[in-house]
Amino acid sequence: DIVMTQTPLSSPVTLGQPASISCRSSQSLVHSDGNTYLSWLQQRPGQPPRLLIYKISNRFSGVPDRFSGSGAGTDFTLKISRVEAEDVGVYYCMQATQLLYTFGQGTKLEIK
Amino acid sequence: EVQLVQSGAEVKKPGESLKISCKGSGYSFTSYWIGWVRQMPGKGLEWMGIIYPGDSDTRYSPSFQGQVTISADKSISTAYLQWSSLKASDTAMYYCARGRIPLPRVPDAFDIWGQGTMVTVSS
Repeated sequence: DIVMTQTPLSSPVTLGQPASISCRSSQSLVHSDGNTYLSWLQQRPGQPPRLLIYKISNRFSGVPDRFSGSGAGTDFTLKISRVEAEDVGVYYCMQATQLLYTFGQGTKLEIK
Repeated sequence: EVQLVQSGAEVKKPGESLKISCKGSGYSFTSYWIGWVRQMPGKGLEWMGIIYPGDSDTRYSPSFQGQVTISADKSISTAYLQWSSLKASDTAMYYCARGRIPLPRVPDAFDIWGQGTMVTVSS
């Protein structure tokens, strides 16, 4: 199984300031087809998860451009350029390179 | 509007059976994989399995293989998750989610999520 490890597990951020979440996989997420299937999801309190980013850096429809993804191989990052109150929640990375899909443990973003 | 609507919350006793549903609308149900994800109280997300309604091709996480059954009825655009004998440890929120692109290839991400079905198993 590919283990996904996120850091930090909790991130207090001031409104308007940037935030960054790291996700590391136990093995390369480069698929045999050349793509890297790493996505990021947001789960606001009491809500289902919501897709933010797919294939490392592609923003899903309707996702604000303050969210961006980057990385390669085994190391990936989600950045929020300026945190807004509505961004509070838990963020998960997910790999779909190997069929046993796996998620990171989640990073709780909260406002200071 | 593309959406997945799940059946309502359930309260069951250990040993009972259960089947929860996930109805897709606003898109071609047979062309997109549907996945199921478990979230135990206060915990993270766990992938359970996926089904391609077009031909009922089903894949399970080894952790859930033999513990649940995933199925779909394409005539009513509905996917199902069922248990034959519930345990207290099955208490969780269960989400269905749609694979991002309409291909027989397994999903590279899940773009549309149902609202979740809370299953409580208690004697």
